This record gives sequence, C-alpha cells and structure tokens, in this order.
Amino acid sequence: KNQVEQSPQSLIILEGKNCTLQCNYTVSPFSNLRWYKQDTGRGPVSLTIMTFSENTKSNGRYTATLDADTKQSSLHITASQLSDSASYICVVKSVNAGNMLTFGGGTRLMVKP
Amino acid sequence: DTAVSQTPKYLVTQMGNDKSIKCEQNLGHDTMYWYKQDSKKFLKIMFSYNNKELIINETVPNRFSPKSPDKAHLNLHINSLELGDSAVYFCASSQVAGLNEQFFGPGTRLTVL
Repeated sequence: KNQVEQSPQSLIILEGKNCTLQCNYTVSPFSNLRWYKQDTGRGPVSLTIMTFSENTKSNGRYTATLDADTKQSSLHITASQLSDSASYICVVKSVNAGNMLTFGGGTRLMVKP
Repeated sequence: DTAVSQTPKYLVTQMGNDKSIKCEQNLGHDTMYWYKQDSKKFLKIMFSYNNKELIINETVPNRFSPKSPDKAHLNLHINSLELGDSAVYFCASSQVAGLNEQFFGPGTRLTVL
C-alpha cells in the first residue's frame, strides 16, 4: 500500500532559526516527490518537485533533498520567518497511479518571534 | 487573475440536503481534481477528471458526483448530506503530461448540522 509518513507532526521554532522536516514514503514505482506549503485557511502551494534523478532542489530559503534509495526526503528551512508558519505536506506520485497522488499528513510548523 | 477558484468559501447546511460546490481554473489545464481534507488535515483524493476519463477513489460514496460542463470547470454535487461530510473540499488542476504539478483552489469549508 502506498504511504507517506511525515515527522514531526508539529514543530515550534524561534524566528531566525533553521529547521528540517522529514518525509518517508513507500510509494512504488516512484515518479516524483513534491513539497507543498499550506497556510491556514488556504489551499496547498507547491514549493518543490523532484524526480528520481534529483537529490536536492532549492526554492529561496527552502531546500528539499531526496534519497530515492532509502525513500526519504527532507525539507530544510533556513532563517525562518513568521510567515513560514504553516503546514508542510510531502506528496509522492507513483508512475502507475495515473494522476493520483499520495499525501502525507503534514508537519505543522509554528515560528515564534 | 486567480488560477483556481472555488465557490462558496463556506457552506453550512442541514443533514439530508443536496448541495454543490463550484470550481473553475483559468490555467488551461486538462485535468481537474477534488480533494477532501478532514479534521486531521489529511488530504484525500476524491476524483480525477479530464474530458476523457473520470477516476473515482473507490472510498468515495456515490452521493458525491463530479459534473464538468467544460474543460475549465469541475463542480462537486453532494446528495443527502451527512454529518461526516463536514470537511474542507479543495479543487485542483494540472496538465496530465510532464510533472503533473497540481494547483489548488482556496478550499470550501462545508459544515453539516
């Protein structure tokens, strides 16, 4: 069964600090992995998409890594800002799943001043 | 210039009623989706639809039905609403080819009393 597990479930950090969110998946065969940011009361917004051959991708202060061998990904946030407070969702697409995606439960990040 | 829009943003209704949520995308995408996000914040795919194929998540009750008047619209009809239908419903769209990046609408919070 395709699954995506994220950790931690929630995280509180001080403004300006760095943090790393984890994602483990069992989706197979793998097509791509994406990280979404979901602000409260809004729809998810894509941060990065990585295919099998990519092991790191950056989008501003967000850097995602992918280890397709161990089926793990991480999202590193540098110099956090109050606006980074949101849920971060790891999503994996299987080659065989058509347009369907498998979503993780998300990590709720709160950045405090 | 909103890419994916949904109406209404909030919907409060009684059990047993029939209601619809509308979705429109102006991205020229060929595929649209409906997702349900429950109180635990898990996003679950309900439908994937383009003008050729409707893919239904087998766990979705047949009280839910997507209706697409044209390529830019995918409405969600719900019959005989139940308490458990209370959730946030997100519409999304993508191009089926390539990385299949999905763009999400702002969500519709449905509350069934």
